Amino acid sequence: DGGITQSPKYLFRKEGQNVTLSCEQNLNHDAMYWYRQDPGQGLRLIYYSQIVNDFQKGDIAEGYSVSREKKESFPLTVTSAQKNPTAFYLCASSISFGNTIYFGEGSWLTVV
Amino acid sequence: GENVEQHPSTLSVQEGDSAVIKCTYSDSASNYFPWYKQELGKRPQLIIDIRSNVGEKKDQRIAVTLNKTAKHFSLHITETQPEDSAVYFCAALSNNAGNMLTFGGGTRLMVKP
Repeated sequence: DGGITQSPKYLFRKEGQNVTLSCEQNLNHDAMYWYRQDPGQGLRLIYYSQIVNDFQKGDIAEGYSVSREKKESFPLTVTSAQKNPTAFYLCASSISFGNTIYFGEGSWLTVV
Repeated sequence: GENVEQHPSTLSVQEGDSAVIKCTYSDSASNYFPWYKQELGKRPQLIIDIRSNVGEKKDQRIAVTLNKTAKHFSLHITETQPEDSAVYFCAALSNNAGNMLTFGGGTRLMVKP
């Protein structure tokens, strides 16, 4: 788990702003994921990437965008189209798609 | 696709007692079932997992059992301690669902000293 680094840990967004959450892994994992967790709730899949230069929408992709230009990096942009972005965002990776998922430490995003 | 239901949503036990959390899944093609523990404000961490060719797996005070016929699997924690207090998530991975991992809704376990 220590090989997945998310930054920043805390982020504040103003109305109408786009913000980008960073996720880097040094585990040589092919697959990477972004989940959203609202307080007291479960995990919802935003986007996932099975391999570099490929990504797919998850269950709640609207208002978010991603890129996967490098194997170790999978940044998530929360756009102004996401009307209620305040949540805990978790990046995860697995050695290949369909294998055990390991999570990063998460990023807290708050709209001010 | 796969649907995973987890019960109970909250569970309170006395220190030293056992705790059992149960999950049911809908897709008979699911073949991998991990359990995660999430402490308050932290990331979910894998604590134990089981594959469909095994009926039970143990690791010290925790164990997972799988009943493929009934399509349910359970987490058992024995001799609970206050540090076991957390939210526990089960999950199931189905080939039919494109190898996607589907999570249950979580169980908040509180161990009272």
